[in-house]
Amino acid sequence: AQKVTQAQTEISVVEKEDVTLDCVYETRDTTYYLFWYKQPPSGELVFLIRRNSFDEQNEISGRYSWNFQKSTSSFNFTITASQVVDSAVYFCALSSSNQAGTALIFGKGTTLSVSS
Amino acid sequence: DVKVTQSSRYLVKRTGEKVFLECVQDMDHENMFWYRQDPGLGLRLIYFSYDVKMKEKGDIPEGYSVSREKKERFSLILESASTNQTSMYLCANQGKNTGELFFGEGSRLTVL
Repeated sequence: AQKVTQAQTEISVVEKEDVTLDCVYETRDTTYYLFWYKQPPSGELVFLIRRNSFDEQNEISGRYSWNFQKSTSSFNFTITASQVVDSAVYFCALSSSNQAGTALIFGKGTTLSVSS
Repeated sequence: DVKVTQSSRYLVKRTGEKVFLECVQDMDHENMFWYRQDPGLGLRLIYFSYDVKMKEKGDIPEGYSVSREKKERFSLILESASTNQTSMYLCANQGKNTGELFFGEGSRLTVL
């Protein structure tokens, strides 16, 4: 069975702090994909990143970075120098294949609050 | 950009009513999904569809049905709404080559 665990329910930080959101996944498939989505207060889910199981290189996009470690089945997300606009619910998700028709399994989400 | 449009942002219905939630995409994607989102539970898959007239049950299909008569439209149906179906409903379609989901803005349903 596939499962995604986001152990942190809520995180509160002050602006400019760095923050890491944890994601641990379970799957028996050798080919799988991991995703992060952001849901700001407006409600619409916004895609952030997709990573396949064969690519363990870390990725950086501006203040965002992702650390994928197959050895610990983790795909953690770090925001550097957080800003108030980063306040949102963040979801980690897993799919077993990139083939059409594969649904994503989501974690329960982490609510990040950034105060000024 | 891919656009997924959900017909109603907010609905209030009474117990026992039949409820239709409509979702339309403007891209030629085969795969469409319905999730519900509840506090502390994340997103849970209700139904999905690979193509016209095809449907597959997700993790929590009980109390729901779907309709996919046209490729661009995927409807979620609550035959007899109950209070435990009060939730945020999210429709999505899936990129053909990337597997990522593109979500609509959501439909917040309250059943009284």
